[in-house]
Amino acid sequence: DAGVIQSPRHEVTEMGQEVTLRCKPISGHNSLFWYRQTMMRGLELLIYFNNNVPIDDSGMPEDRFSAKMPNASFSTLKIQPSEPRDSAVYFCASNPPRTSGEETQYFGPGTRLLVL
Amino acid sequence: GNSVTQMEGPVTLSEEAFLTINCTYTATGYPSLFWYVQYPGEGLQLLLKATKADDKGSNKGFEATYRKETTSFHLEKGSVQVSDSAVYFCALGSDSSYKLIFGSGTRLLVRP
Repeated sequence: DAGVIQSPRHEVTEMGQEVTLRCKPISGHNSLFWYRQTMMRGLELLIYFNNNVPIDDSGMPEDRFSAKMPNASFSTLKIQPSEPRDSAVYFCASNPPRTSGEETQYFGPGTRLLVL
Repeated sequence: GNSVTQMEGPVTLSEEAFLTINCTYTATGYPSLFWYVQYPGEGLQLLLKATKADDKGSNKGFEATYRKETTSFHLEKGSVQVSDSAVYFCALGSDSSYKLIFGSGTRLLVRP
């Protein structure tokens, strides 16, 4: 398997622009997580889905952030409008069903976002 | 609520030195415990895990033992290499959700 795939790997945009980050989880995994990592705040869980349904979005910083998972193989994280303080590395992770007995999350390579 | 505390870094060692990175947790129930490693410019990847008390996880020369009596899961390696330089995260699973609770990470720098 190719692992969790994220795109783009790098994004540079100007304040006020819309940013869309994309994630393809590992085939067969039914939970998907979006994280944000910064030097100041470390690793933060933004939202997670189970069977394509958002379960916990308490980490989403504000209404400018939204996430969708229209099917089992694709998710997006959108920031509109973007602000310089959104600059961070955004990770997507997935894990197999509980019935597999495995709790390990598998991380993608991340999208490095810079908002000017 | 459940939480993970790990030692602050950076930890700087010479090659072949002994490594310990402390991790303690607070949890209800009997969660699984994990160590993840993040190499520069990459995502986190699982290093090792333990699913119940007294289990020892091991991988690539690293070890950690699930100690219920001290609520700890310290990471150890007998002889570190320059290639072990990375950030190490301790994490706690949950009986009731799919979330992992991560510690703040400890940066390890190994000098030749």
